[in-house]
Amino acid sequence: KAGVTQTPRYLIKTRGQQVTLSCSPISGHRSVSWYQQTPGQGLQFLFEYFSETQRNKGNFPGRFSGRQFSNSRSEMNVSTLELGDSALYLCASSFTGEVHYGYTFGSGTRLTVV
Amino acid sequence: QKEVEQNSGPLSVPEGAIASLNCTYSDRGSQSFFWYRQYSGKSPELIMFIYSNGDKEDGRFTAQLNKASQYVSLLIRDSQPSDSATYLCAVNKGDNYGQNFVFGPGTRLSVLP
Repeated sequence: KAGVTQTPRYLIKTRGQQVTLSCSPISGHRSVSWYQQTPGQGLQFLFEYFSETQRNKGNFPGRFSGRQFSNSRSEMNVSTLELGDSALYLCASSFTGEVHYGYTFGSGTRLTVV
Repeated sequence: QKEVEQNSGPLSVPEGAIASLNCTYSDRGSQSFFWYRQYSGKSPELIMFIYSNGDKEDGRFTAQLNKASQYVSLLIRDSQPSDSATYLCAVNKGDNYGQNFVFGPGTRLSVLP
C-alpha cells in the first residue's frame, strides 16, 4: 500500500512569505501529525489532527497552523516566515485505536528560508 | 531535565558486535515506547515498539523496557555497516486527547567494517 506522501520535497522561501505543505496519509489512517526537525532541536511536535479536528498542539507560535480534510489529507501553513523556520517538516500518519502502533513518516519537506 | 534523553554518540562498534542504545524518560505515566532509525537525509522509520516491562525481540533487534527505572534500550545483534544511522527513542505520553509523542535527540551509531 502507498506510504505517506508529502509535497513539495523542497522549498525555498523569503522571510515574511507564507508557505503551505501538504500530506496524504496512508489509506485508512485517520491521524496525521506534523513535526519539525532541526539539527539543534531534534524532532519537535507541531500538532496532530484526527477526523478533521486538531487534537494536540505543541509549543509553536500561532504562525504555524494546519488543517485536515475529510479524506484525512492534511496541510500545514506557516505565515510570516522567519529564518529560524528553516527545517525539515515531517508528516506522520498513524492508525489510532486502543493501541498505538507508531508513526509512519513521509519523506518530509525541506524548507529553506532566506 | 529533558523529557526523553539519549546519549548523542557517536557510538562506534565493530561489525558483528552488539550495539546497545539507551534511553531514559521523565514522565512516569508514559505508556508506550518506540525506536526509530533515521539514515542521513532520510525520514525516521519505525524499528519496533514496546509496551510491557521486559524484552521484546524482532530479528536482530531487542527492545528492553524497565518502567520502574524509566529506562528503555535497544540492542542490535550482529551489527552491520548498514545499521549505521541515528536511532531515535520516542515516548508516547498517552494523553487522553490524543497521542503526543516526544522524541529523544537520537544516538548516532557507526558500525565499522
